[in-house]
Amino acid sequence: AQKVTQAQTEISVVEKEDVTLDCVYETRDTTYYLFWYKQPPSGELVFLIRRNSFDEQNEISGRYSWNFQKSTSSFNFTITASQVVDSAVYFCALSEARTGNNRKLIWGLGTSLAVNP
Amino acid sequence: GAGVSQSPSNKVTEKGKDVELRCDPISGHTALYWYRQRLGQGLEFLIYFQGNSAPDKSGLPSDRFSAERTGESVSTLTIQRTQQEDSAVYLCASSPTGRYRGAGETQYFGPGTRLLVL
Repeated sequence: AQKVTQAQTEISVVEKEDVTLDCVYETRDTTYYLFWYKQPPSGELVFLIRRNSFDEQNEISGRYSWNFQKSTSSFNFTITASQVVDSAVYFCALSEARTGNNRKLIWGLGTSLAVNP
Repeated sequence: GAGVSQSPSNKVTEKGKDVELRCDPISGHTALYWYRQRLGQGLEFLIYFQGNSAPDKSGLPSDRFSAERTGESVSTLTIQRTQQEDSAVYLCASSPTGRYRGAGETQYFGPGTRLLVL
């Protein structure tokens, strides 16, 4: 069965701290895609990254970095030198290739990150 | 270019009334999704449209919920005889057609409609 687990419900850090948001997924498919979205207090979901299952290279984008490890079925997200504007709920999601024409995303429950000044 | 737009932004209604929510996807996106997000919760899939194919309605919670989409344009989500438990944010997303063969396309979200049923 497909499943995405974000074990951390809430995280609170002080500005400039590094923080890692965990995402663990379950799938039987060999071809799948993983996503991270950010939902700031305004409510709109903002796409951050998509990664396919054949690309295990870690990715860095500014202060954001992602660590994809198939061996542990994890796709963790790290924010370096966090800022107050990073305060949001972050969602991890999974899409399986074998779902074919049905492209539902399987969503984690989200991690609420509070960055305090 | 323009993103996904939704209207109204906020809707307050009385229990038992019908409501209609609108979603305008990104131009050229063939896939359109509706989700529900209750306060403090994750996203709950409702329905998915892909071009002219039959929609996937597997997430609709009851027969009071329905949605339509004309071609690859606007979609409306209708909730009949609203109940207080329908209070939530209703999110719409669209995605382009696949070079990923039907999976893995990034979904782009609208700002949502906040529905409050009194």
